[in-house]
Amino acid sequence: GAVVSQHPSRVICKSGTSVKIECRSLDFQATTMFWYRQFPKKSLMLMATSNEGSKATYEQGVEKDKFLINHASLTLSTLTVTSAHPEDSSFYICSASTGSNQPQHFGDGTRLSIL
Amino acid sequence: RKEVEQDPGPFNVPEGATVAFNCTYSNSASQSFFWYRQDCRKEPKLLMSVYSSGNEDGRFTAQLNRASQYISLLIRDSKLSDSATYLCVVNEGSGNTPLVFGKGTRLSVIA
Repeated sequence: GAVVSQHPSRVICKSGTSVKIECRSLDFQATTMFWYRQFPKKSLMLMATSNEGSKATYEQGVEKDKFLINHASLTLSTLTVTSAHPEDSSFYICSASTGSNQPQHFGDGTRLSIL
Repeated sequence: RKEVEQDPGPFNVPEGATVAFNCTYSNSASQSFFWYRQDCRKEPKLLMSVYSSGNEDGRFTAQLNRASQYISLLIRDSKLSDSATYLCVVNEGSGNTPLVFGKGTRLSVIA
């Protein structure tokens, strides 16, 4: 069964809207979660590392004020795409590991379409 | 960040064929290794972890050669349902560190 739950799975909204995506670890605590983005026919690109109780670590080129990450509990990380524009349309996926050297499990992903 | 290189695709094979995917990684300090499969417009799903001793799960066999920094995946008796993109994935750390993904190899199994 799924170990990481992501919601919503699909969002279509107007340009300028802010969109919040939730990532939950099920039945385990995740001090660290990861947020990825994938454009069509491209590989997953790490956006940021979400750390429970502290600031997220962003990859180079990812705007922290644009992509707000909150990891307020050991089972929930949220990614908010603020004032989204069409170029933000993408497939956003989170992941978490159940432990050291264990594989990461991915959420179902959120397909974001900005009109 | 170092890289993970995979065979360029696509691989188009008939049902029942055996197909092999190769992958190399550049960071010799990498700690753990995985194959994931990703279906079109879906999230990656773990196929199997890869160990130096080699491991097998049904029709799938994975091998790791740390000296050569090389990872392989062998699929025997291909099924139509094996059609997907196969991602070679490396964890460069020992704890909760981000994964490094290969670009993936597309497999199409044809009836």
